[in-house]
Amino acid sequence: KQEVTQIPAALSVPEGENLVLNCSFTDSAIYNLQWFRQDPGKGLTSLLLIQSSQREQTSGRLNASLDKSSGRSTLYIAASQPGDSATYLCAVFNQAGTALIFGKGTTLSVSS
Amino acid sequence: EPEVTQTPSHQVTQMGQEVILRCVPISNHLYFYWYRQILGQKVEFLVSFYNNEISEKSEIFDDQFSVERPDGSNFTLKIRSTKLEDSAMYFCASSLGQMAFTLHFGNGTRLTVT
Repeated sequence: KQEVTQIPAALSVPEGENLVLNCSFTDSAIYNLQWFRQDPGKGLTSLLLIQSSQREQTSGRLNASLDKSSGRSTLYIAASQPGDSATYLCAVFNQAGTALIFGKGTTLSVSS
Repeated sequence: EPEVTQTPSHQVTQMGQEVILRCVPISNHLYFYWYRQILGQKVEFLVSFYNNEISEKSEIFDDQFSVERPDGSNFTLKIRSTKLEDSAMYFCASSLGQMAFTLHFGNGTRLTVT
């Protein structure tokens, strides 16, 4: 059974800092890995999708990497802004490719 | 940009009552999902649906739960006899394809069982 773990659970940084969020998964036989953002009381917004054959994806100030063999992914946020404050969720598709399994998330707070 | 729409945004019901949560996925999407998030906990997979049948369901999705796509646009989650522990935020999601495509989520329905 696929398990997804995210570290740290919470992170507070001053504006302008670069930061890294970590995700690990127990079963390396994944089809893809996705990073989402969740704002309080809202749904989930997709940030990046990395196919299992890829090593990284970039979108603006966000860069996600994937090391399938070690079961790890990182989300790098450059030059953080107060608007980046949210919970960031990592998720992987299960072996059958029929369910996206989520970690508990990292809650980020960026102060101005 | 097209989006997934969920109604109602908040539903309060008494224990033992039936509830139906409604979702309108993005129109050309083919795969549909329900997730739930109990307050302070992780987003949990309930069920995936494709070609008018369930693709996968989790251990949470027991006989009290059912899903239906009654017409070409709606996707519903029914809970037959609600329990206090069913109180959660329920999210609907859809995707164009399976593993190569991201899931698009609605804003959720907050279900409160009293």
